[in-house]
Amino acid sequence: RKEVEQDPGPFNVPEGATVAFNCTYSNSASQSFFWYRQDCRKEPKLLMSVYSSGNEDGRFTAQLNRASQYISLLIRDSKLSDSATYLCVVTGPPGNQFYFGTGTSLTVIP
Amino acid sequence: GAVVSQHPSWVICKSGTSVKIECRSLDFQATTMFWYRQFPKQSLMLMATSNEGSKATYEQGVEKDKFLINHASLTLSTLTVTSAHPEDSSFYICSAPRPGFNSPLHFGNGTRLTVT
Repeated sequence: RKEVEQDPGPFNVPEGATVAFNCTYSNSASQSFFWYRQDCRKEPKLLMSVYSSGNEDGRFTAQLNRASQYISLLIRDSKLSDSATYLCVVTGPPGNQFYFGTGTSLTVIP
Repeated sequence: GAVVSQHPSWVICKSGTSVKIECRSLDFQATTMFWYRQFPKQSLMLMATSNEGSKATYEQGVEKDKFLINHASLTLSTLTVTSAHPEDSSFYICSAPRPGFNSPLHFGNGTRLTVT
C-alpha cells in the first residue's frame, strides 16, 4: 500500500467553479502535510501547509482530517491560471521522510 | 525568492559523456537533500537521498554507479549522470527541507537533460 494516495484526475472544470481534491495517507503517525503546485515542465512550488485546524489562503482552503487520514484542498472561483498539477506531501516516520502523492491534474476551461 | 538553486537549468550532451548537476541551499544548511527524476506526464520519482558527510541512499532500481551523488558541504549536493544515454533524458529536480519541525521541502528549479 502506498504511503500517500491521490486521485490523478484529470479534473476539467469551468472557470468560476469550485473544485476539491483529497489525498489519503496510510500512516497515522504522519506529522506534517503540504500541498504543492507543479506547472508543466517546472518544479513543484509550495502552495500551502495544512494545519490541524484547517487554513485558508484567498481562494484556497486546506483541511486535515486525522481520524480519516486525509487532507483536502478546496479551490473556489477557479481561474484559468489554476490549471496545474497539485501534489500532496506528507511527512512521517521513519525519521522525517517526505511522501508524495502522484499529483492531481486540474484544467480550468474558459 | 528561491531558497534552493539548481544549475544548470538545461543541458544537452552527447551519449557517453557525463553531466554534473548542482543543488545549493541558499539561506539555510541542508544535511539532507533529495534528488528526483520526472519523465513527461509522469510523477516525480525519488532517486536518492543525499546525506552531508556520508553516502547517499539510493532508491530501489537506481544505479548508484551511474548516478553519483556527492554532498560535500551543508549547502551543496551534486548529481553526476555518468556515461549518459538517451534514455537518461529527463527532468531532474533536487529539493531540501529547511531545518525545523513542520518545515516544507523547497525545490530547485530543475534541470532538463537531453542526451543525443
